Amino acid sequence: GIQVEQSPPDLILQEGANSTLRCNFSDSVNNLQWFHQNPWGQLINLFYIPSGTKQNGRLSATTVATERYSLLYISSSQTTDSGVYFCAVTTTMEYGNKLVFGAGTILRVKS
Amino acid sequence: DTEVTQTPKHLVMGMTNKKSLKCEQHMGHRAMYWYKQKAKKPPELMFVYSYEKLSINESVPSRFSPECPNSSLLNLHLHALQPEDSALYLCASSQVMQLEKLFFGSGTQLSVL
Repeated sequence: GIQVEQSPPDLILQEGANSTLRCNFSDSVNNLQWFHQNPWGQLINLFYIPSGTKQNGRLSATTVATERYSLLYISSSQTTDSGVYFCAVTTTMEYGNKLVFGAGTILRVKS
Repeated sequence: DTEVTQTPKHLVMGMTNKKSLKCEQHMGHRAMYWYKQKAKKPPELMFVYSYEKLSINESVPSRFSPECPNSSLLNLHLHALQPEDSALYLCASSQVMQLEKLFFGSGTQLSVL
């Protein structure tokens, strides 16, 4: 099946710093989503981005489907950005579509 | 309204108990999901309902029984669980099965004693 790899696995930032998270996938996909899970467990959909670039405030994401990767940029990081960032891709299986998650990047932003 | 509501937020149950988790969405989504998440791991798919019919069961033990009474509601009935079933249980919904943007509820933290 498709493999989804995220890097780095862990990241510690000082408040105000910028960072880039990467998601590589091993096969062609129908779409890609980025999620943020806060320390209380809530998973928030940040971007639905099968290709191209999107921006939402301090966050932006770029997916290059032909090269099988996506990047999530966090600028001017804040302590509230802490948590786990997951990318997830949709691939087509025999029974239909399946969403496959990467292992996540654990981000800690220090004040 | 882009919210998926789950109840209860926390649940402690014994191995002989029967309990139910509930999930509700009013976004008009036709696909609803149950995920299980262990600490420091990504969510694992358990069940998918598409247009109120069970579409995917990821070989989940029968002690977990899903139910979709209507297009807005999703339940997960629990019976005779094991301590290793303790986890965060997440409900999610999307317009179309696993192809569109996925919205998650805040989850139920389940502890089985």
